[in-house]
Amino acid sequence: EVQVVESGGGLVQPGGSLRLSCAASGFTFTTYWMNWVRQAPGKGLEWVANINQDASARHFVDSVRGRFTISRDNAKNSVYLQMNSLRAEDTAVYYCARLTNSGLTDYWGQGTLVMVSS
Amino acid sequence: DTQMTQSPSTLSASVGDRVTITCRASQSISGELAWYQQKPGRAPKLLIYKASSLESGVPSRFSGGGSGTEFSLTISSLQPDDFATYYCQQYNTYPYTFGQGTKLEIK
Repeated sequence: EVQVVESGGGLVQPGGSLRLSCAASGFTFTTYWMNWVRQAPGKGLEWVANINQDASARHFVDSVRGRFTISRDNAKNSVYLQMNSLRAEDTAVYYCARLTNSGLTDYWGQGTLVMVSS
Repeated sequence: DTQMTQSPSTLSASVGDRVTITCRASQSISGELAWYQQKPGRAPKLLIYKASSLESGVPSRFSGGGSGTEFSLTISSLQPDDFATYYCQQYNTYPYTFGQGTKLEIK
């Protein structure tokens, strides 16, 4: 069974940093891209970033480029989202999700909540 | 960026009704469109990919169609479990973008 489990969310002050982790299981991790997608409270979905199988390609939405980085550890079947210079508008549930080679997001974790507030 | 516009934003319907949600892209997306269902407090669930392909395990009352810039999700006979919010997403060009969502409510 495909599973992705996020962790690392919490309350952080504006300008602070947070690192999200995502542990994957039930599939061959090294053959898939991985995604982060976020959802602000009561709002819609926003794609944030993704990373390819060997970390040679990464893509970001403009609003986080230069502040967020994405990485993966294939030995641990894990992907990470390092979030720096956090702003109130980054407050959201962050979902980790599997991405097929065609770009389709097919399996999602349950999400981890990030709150940026003083 | 490719803008995705869903309509309607809210849809009230009854069990047994046939409903259609539309999604318009601001440019051609080569059919690389997915539909997701999301219930409160839950992760999105993939229903349809490549505009019209039904994800494994999804009931056949769900169907997708369209091409170019106009797409649709149809539920042929609404069941109680179908009342949720639905999102379209294009995965043709970066940044991948979602529609604003359609909330399907019980009439």
